[in-house]
Amino acid sequence: QSVLTQPPSVSGAPGQRVTISCTGSSSNIGAGYDVHWYQQLPGTAPKLLIYVNTNRPSGVPDRFSGSKSGTSASLAITGLQAEDEADYYCQSYDSSLSGYVFGTGTKVTVL
Amino acid sequence: EVQLVESGGGLVQPGGSLRLSCAASGFTFSSFWMSWVRQAPGKGLEWVANINQDGREKYYVDSVKGRFTISRDNAKNSLYLQMNSLRAEDTAVYYCARAYYSSGSYARFDPWGQGTLVTVSS
Repeated sequence: QSVLTQPPSVSGAPGQRVTISCTGSSSNIGAGYDVHWYQQLPGTAPKLLIYVNTNRPSGVPDRFSGSKSGTSASLAITGLQAEDEADYYCQSYDSSLSGYVFGTGTKVTVL
Repeated sequence: EVQLVESGGGLVQPGGSLRLSCAASGFTFSSFWMSWVRQAPGKGLEWVANINQDGREKYYVDSVKGRFTISRDNAKNSLYLQMNSLRAEDTAVYYCARAYYSSGSYARFDPWGQGTLVTVSS
């Protein structure tokens, strides 16, 4: 089972702002390891969305933003669009497991 | 364009073996760590294994240690995953991904291949 916990689902109307939390512990996010976020559109491979907590790769709209504090991280989507319907995963490193860990995943629904 | 293309998935019986391949193009393959990540049907993502640039450093998730072996052939720009003693719980789409390290940071996975489905069933 995953050591990074995310809400199973979040939803919002077009144009609204939604946030997705990623809660870890003292052996991963709380230990200072960076958090990365991925977007997985239906039937496709994951795509890097946010790296090193707050950075957007080239081509990712500035509607997506990331933050990190303590043992948690968050992904915010502002100006929600229909094309944002997807599964979102956080990812970090865990020193107790000596390996990489992903969050449980959050399905974003645009109402 | 950076591209990763997996192959080798299929149906295998419990206890059987399978070898996955990942063909890389569009970047200097020998300069990067590489990874395998899997996703069981309808489930989340799980990191499986990492390998460094020259193939001498390898790391695995506990559930596959002793059964899976990650390897690479830099001359062929290819990554492999040899899977032995397969179990039903290994059923998943297996993704090949470049493990990208920034200074002072552990890896992020970018980009990903399209995945190859491994089904372990009798």
